Amino acid sequence: AQTVTQSQPEMSVQEAETVTLSCTYDTSESDYYLFWYKQPPSRQMILVIRQEAYKQQNATENRFSVNFQKAAKSFSLKISDSQLGDAAMYFCAYRSRVSGYALNFGKGTSLLVTP
Amino acid sequence: GAGVSQSPSNKVTEKGKDVELRCDPISGHTALYWYRQSLGQGLEFLIYFQGNSAPDKSGLPSDRFSAERTGGSVSTLTIQRTQQEDSAVYLCASSFYGSTSYNEQFFGPGTRLTVL
Repeated sequence: AQTVTQSQPEMSVQEAETVTLSCTYDTSESDYYLFWYKQPPSRQMILVIRQEAYKQQNATENRFSVNFQKAAKSFSLKISDSQLGDAAMYFCAYRSRVSGYALNFGKGTSLLVTP
Repeated sequence: GAGVSQSPSNKVTEKGKDVELRCDPISGHTALYWYRQSLGQGLEFLIYFQGNSAPDKSGLPSDRFSAERTGGSVSTLTIQRTQQEDSAVYLCASSFYGSTSYNEQFFGPGTRLTVL
């Protein structure tokens, strides 16, 4: 089974600064997807960004970008120009392309954004 | 253009009672998923539906948990004889189809279940 590890239970960043959230995963597969989800207090999970393992280029979505290191099985999320609305729980997730439908989630990182 | 909806939003029950949690997926989405989020934990996969059938029930934690989906739309997650360890947020997600190619899972707001 694939496991996803987020080693930072909490992170803090000042408005307009940059923060990086870490994620590592364990898999024997070569073809898979990786995701970062945001969960605000409303509880609704929102997809922030996704990465397909066969793509070498790191995904970017506006202020959000990832550093995907396939050999190291690392998938970090960088948030640039942090805004108060970025405060939330962030979850890293893995999904097999071949054998799975379910998302395997890490335990999350709580991001606090200070003015 | 409504998203995934879940009801009730919050449910408080007594130990030993049965509860039913409902999920209305996005119209046209054939795949539906249930996850459980316990306090301080990530999301744990429970069950996956493709249409009305459940090819993957591997995540159901015990035989007290069951789920069904009717008409390829609404799904109900039932927990019988609830225990305090069942207290969690139950999240539902749907996607256009559930094949192994990429398709985004859209999540509902969840049901917070508290078992006293």
